[in-house]
Amino acid sequence: DGGITQSPKYLFRKEGQNVTLSCEQNLNHDAMYWYRQDPGQGLRLIYYSQIVNDFQKGDIAEGYSVSREKKESFPLTVTSAQKNPTAFYLCASSARTGPYGYTFGSGTRLTVV
Amino acid sequence: QQQVKQSPQSLIVQKGGISIINCAYENTAFDYFPWYQQFPGKGPALLIAIRPDVSEKKEGRFTISFNKSAKQFSLHIMDSQPGDSATYFCAATPGGQGAQKLVFGQGTRLTINP
Repeated sequence: DGGITQSPKYLFRKEGQNVTLSCEQNLNHDAMYWYRQDPGQGLRLIYYSQIVNDFQKGDIAEGYSVSREKKESFPLTVTSAQKNPTAFYLCASSARTGPYGYTFGSGTRLTVV
Repeated sequence: QQQVKQSPQSLIVQKGGISIINCAYENTAFDYFPWYQQFPGKGPALLIAIRPDVSEKKEGRFTISFNKSAKQFSLHIMDSQPGDSATYFCAATPGGQGAQKLVFGQGTRLTINP
């Protein structure tokens, strides 16, 4: 079955540590996206990539970094510079040609302890 | 221009009633309008989508109504059930070449009382 796999489902981080969230898709989608969701809030775009080896900052990129070395993979690193990293992180992908809806992963809940 | 405004923020409906969530946009370049359903602790899932060349699209109990001149679209859930309790997001994206970012509304938390 095609889809997006995010891992781990739950992640705990000590203050001052960097952590990397994994996102893999086998949908042959060109574009991939990372969103942050806080409790009771909407979706805020962190980074997106429309093609391998290229990515752009979204609305809240500070304290985060990404890479896109393979079409299938778009890992997100939450760095120690991110002041309030506790949140639910969602990865999504979409095709280059329409329809342009996203397919989302099941999310990673990151908690700073 | 890039915003999609969604209302209400939360909605409580009795079982069997009609749930209505509204969205408005400004960017006339938007040409694809999906709705997503999200259950707690899960990623959003595409529920139904519409393009501006039609005024209504129905899939089962879910209907999108689209008013191009008013730049508004809405989701109607008929015969609402407790299993419909979730957060709903409207979204929009412009057409054109290549994959385009979705612009999301702020979400509506829907509760269906049994």
